[in-house]
Amino acid sequence: EVQLVQSGAEVKKPGESLKISCKGSGYSFTSYWIGWVRQMPGKGLEWMGIIYPGDSDTRYSPSFQGQVTISADKSISTAYLQWSSLKASDTAMYYCARTEMVNYYYYMDVWGKGTTVTVSS
Amino acid sequence: QTVVTQEPSFSVSPGGTVTLTCGLSSGSVSTSYYPSWYQQTPGQAPRTLIYSTNTRSSGVPDRFSGSILGNKAALTITGAQADDESDYYCVLYMGSGSWVFGGGTKLTVL
Repeated sequence: EVQLVQSGAEVKKPGESLKISCKGSGYSFTSYWIGWVRQMPGKGLEWMGIIYPGDSDTRYSPSFQGQVTISADKSISTAYLQWSSLKASDTAMYYCARTEMVNYYYYMDVWGKGTTVTVSS
Repeated sequence: QTVVTQEPSFSVSPGGTVTLTCGLSSGSVSTSYYPSWYQQTPGQAPRTLIYSTNTRSSGVPDRFSGSILGNKAALTITGAQADDESDYYCVLYMGSGSWVFGGGTKLTVL
């Protein structure tokens, strides 16, 4: 079974750093992109960026470029989303999603259950 | 910045048919945007319904269908059921490995 297992909920203070994870299983981790999606409390979904674990090619939404860093360690089939200095406005649910990006197929097909990040002083 | 537009809310009667749409703040949605649709119920992760305009994801009932209607992508639910009450999001592929979500439509079945 194809699965994405995300790390647990985090509670942090403003200014702290954070790295959350998304571990893939049941498929060739290096053959699919992994995307990250933010959902702020009571709001809609926002596409943040993607990474191809095979070669670490990474793309960001202009809204998130410079605000977060997406990375992957293919040796342990895990993608990451990290912040160097959290803000209260980073409080949200973060989903990872396996993403198809090949001819005629551009979509997210498998989703993790999400990681809640709470930033509060 | 490209804005993808969706109806904020819609309601449908049980057994009825509803069409949700996905447009662009400027321009038309075509198959070249590879529109996809996702369903999200409260407290749950999104579920993939439709991709590449009109292809149902595995396990999705055939009462869900996707299309292009005029200058928008569309998700049609035929024979709506109570458990179709959810938020529905469209996503458009903008090229160069970039996507934009619509604001979502809250569907009520009553």
